[in-house]
Amino acid sequence: KAGVTQTPRYLIKTRGQQVTLSCSPISGHRSVSWYQQTPGQGLQFLFEYFSETQRNKGNFPGRFSGRQFSNSRSEMNVSTLELGDSALYLCASSLGWVQGAAYEQYFGPGTRLTVT
Amino acid sequence: AQSVTQPDIHITVSEGASLELRCNYSYGATPYLFWYVQSPGQGLQLLLKYFSGDTLVQGIKGFEAEFKRSQSSFNLRKPSVHWSDAAEYFCAVGSGAGSYQLTFGKGTKLSVIP
Repeated sequence: KAGVTQTPRYLIKTRGQQVTLSCSPISGHRSVSWYQQTPGQGLQFLFEYFSETQRNKGNFPGRFSGRQFSNSRSEMNVSTLELGDSALYLCASSLGWVQGAAYEQYFGPGTRLTVT
Repeated sequence: AQSVTQPDIHITVSEGASLELRCNYSYGATPYLFWYVQSPGQGLQLLLKYFSGDTLVQGIKGFEAEFKRSQSSFNLRKPSVHWSDAAEYFCAVGSGAGSYQLTFGKGTKLSVIP
């Protein structure tokens, strides 16, 4: 079974621009979560989607948004990029509807975003 | 709010030596507990998980972890470390209650001396 895939793997953007990152979950997984990883803050939860609905959102500004499509694929968007948005953005998928399994998350390789 | 503490930022062990990475969590009920490993430039790989039942759980790559409710701990162990185990290890907690998010510790970087 193929794992979680994320595109692109690397991205360089300029302050003020916007960016869209894509995530394809493991086949059969209906939940997709996004995390931001930085050396200073570690791994921080951005949001989680299940069946095209956002079920939970972390403590990030409104510039960070996401969506999920009917095939469970997900995208996240960051508008008006700031230098501090430079990070590794990780997508994770899970089955999503069974209590424990909803937290058993499988991660993709990440998208490394650099903002200059 | 739940939290996860990994008190050791960096650990160095010799190849063949045993390993224990510490993890303490703060949460009222029994949480869902996980250990992940991350190699440089890579995503996180799930090593093992604890939901309920037997408090000693086995994972991939020869790792095991023990849940101790009285100590709010979920320490990761391996009897004999291989050079390929050098990586960063993260402990994570899922609280249930419909949050669907994992809270991670800051990670422990493991270096292995040949």
